Amino acid sequence: DAGVTQSPTHLIKTRGQQVTLRCSPKSGHDTVSWYQQALGQGPQFIFQYYEEEERQRGNFPDRFSGHQFPNYSSELNVNALLLGDSALYLCASSFPDGYGYTFGSGTRLTVV
Amino acid sequence: SQQGEEDPQALSIQEGENATMNCSYKTSINNLQWYRQNSGRGLVHLILIRSNEREKHSGRLRVTLDTSKKSSSLLITASRAADTASYFCDPGGTSYGKLTFGQGTILTVHP
Repeated sequence: DAGVTQSPTHLIKTRGQQVTLRCSPKSGHDTVSWYQQALGQGPQFIFQYYEEEERQRGNFPDRFSGHQFPNYSSELNVNALLLGDSALYLCASSFPDGYGYTFGSGTRLTVV
Repeated sequence: SQQGEEDPQALSIQEGENATMNCSYKTSINNLQWYRQNSGRGLVHLILIRSNEREKHSGRLRVTLDTSKKSSSLLITASRAADTASYFCDPGGTSYGKLTFGQGTILTVHP
């Protein structure tokens, strides 16, 4: 049974560019959440998708956007990258009530 | 939702010793969860304790919850080098699955 799959594992981008990160949820899960984890900090909630709609959003600017596809996979897009966007981006899938929460291994984004 | 505060920030012990870390929060909760993160990878769910429970065990893990003090503790008995990781608590419950974490406790277990 495959867990949560994220791609790519590492990424280097230049300030001002745009980036797309991808996530495939665990089989049976239909809710996907995204987190940003800066070095030495705990993960911070970006947003959550359910039924292809953004259901909740954390305190992140509009530069951060997402999408969920009919097969429940999801993308995280970040526009106009800043140096401060350098972080580990974690995707987690779950059932709609939040149970069964399972994290992927993350995408390490470095903005130079 | 609220953020938990894990304490201590770092803990260093020898293999075989017990490790205790704490989580404090500010407002009432439905439940509290503990997660482990190995070396900057994804988080792994360890245990969930409900607000009407005072203690819960899972293998070498023991979690207590004191709702009057708004605090929880995670005890890892007979620590192993493989327990070296960051540990986070989420006191926000699982309503719609938005987790909120503090800075975590970095546990180092020396062989």
